[in-house]
Formats: sequence, C-alpha cells, structure tokens
Amino acid sequence: EAGVAQSPRYKIIEKRQSVAFWCNPISGHATLYWYQQILGQGPKLLIQFQNNGVVDDSQLPKDRFSAERLKGVDSTLKIQPAKLEDSAVYLCASSLEATSNEQFFGPGTRLTVL
Amino acid sequence: KQEVTQIPAALSVPEGENLVLNCSFTDSAIYNLQWFRQDPGKGLTSLLLIQSSQREQTSGRLNASLDKSSGRSTLYIAASQPGDSATYLCAVRTGNQFYFGTGTSLTVIP
Repeated sequence: EAGVAQSPRYKIIEKRQSVAFWCNPISGHATLYWYQQILGQGPKLLIQFQNNGVVDDSQLPKDRFSAERLKGVDSTLKIQPAKLEDSAVYLCASSLEATSNEQFFGPGTRLTVL
Repeated sequence: KQEVTQIPAALSVPEGENLVLNCSFTDSAIYNLQWFRQDPGKGLTSLLLIQSSQREQTSGRLNASLDKSSGRSTLYIAASQPGDSATYLCAVRTGNQFYFGTGTSLTVIP
C-alpha cells in the first residue's frame, strides 16, 4: 500500500513570495490533514478535510494561507505572501475516517523563507 | 485549550535497557491518543493508537497505556536498540483538533 505522498520535499523562497505544496493521501482515506511543524516543536494542525469539505481550519492563518481538496483526493496548501516565520516543515496526513482512526503522515515539505 | 506535555525532553540509555516515556494532557475529554516516532528530516511514523475506551495497546516491544482520568499516557519500550533512537511524539484528539507534545528525543547507546 502506497503511503502519503508530498511534493516538493524542499523549497526555498524569499519573503513576500508565494509557494504551494501538494499532497496525495493513501487511497481510500476520506480525511486529510495539513500540519505545520516549526523546529523543536510538535506539529500544529492547520486544516482538516473530510472528503472535499473543511472540518476544521481554526488554526489556519487565513490572511495568507489557503488550502483546497477539490475532488476529495489530492490537496494543495498555499502561502501568499510568505513571511520569515513560515519557515517550517509542512506535513500532510490522512486517515480512513476522522474520529477514531490512525493518522498516517507523509515525509513533509521543508520550507525556508529568506 | 488542550495542552500536551512530554517528559523528559531528552533521554539517553544504554542498549538493552527498558525505558518509559511520559505524556500528559490537561483535558481528559479525548477521543484517542496516538504515539509516533520521528526520525531526523522525516515525517512521523505511527506506533500505537489508543482509543479513549481502551487502557493499553501493544505492538512488539512497545506498550502504551492510557489513564484518561489522570490525563496521562506512557510508552514503554522493552530491550531498547540503537535503531530505536528517534524523537517520540504523543498526540491527543479533542473535538476536531489534534494536539501534539514537543516530543522526547531518545538516544540508545550501543
């Protein structure tokens, strides 16, 4: 069974530029999550999708971050414009359902904002 | 707001030793608790998932317990090996949110 795929693995941009990350969850997983992990901290949930609907985006900085999952499979997370403090690893995870199921994580995208 | 704490922040043990990692949380109204390991520069690997109605889960040399009323979970690793060296994270689900601890960095010395 293929795992959660993410691309790119690394991205370096200058502040005020835009960037987008892509995630393909495990086949059949209805729930998809985007996390931000700043160095030395645990992951912070940014947004959770159930199929193509948003379940929770309470911690997503909506003035600059956006995410979509149009067909209920792949998802993209965008930052526009980026700030220095956005430097982090962006992790995508998926699970069969939302409440009780195990989450499986992708390898992450390491973003550096200069 | 749920707060998750992991103690110790770092741990170094000789190979073969049994060890316990701790995770505590402030709000006992959780759906589940999950333990992960994270290797440097990589994503998280799921180790064990404990539902709120369960007391413990076991997988190979790993055993995780959950005491929801006291807001605590422990991860027991038996007969540690150098390959167990990694950062171990716990996460609790409260409502629609997941809250992670900052992890315990484990080094197993050959």
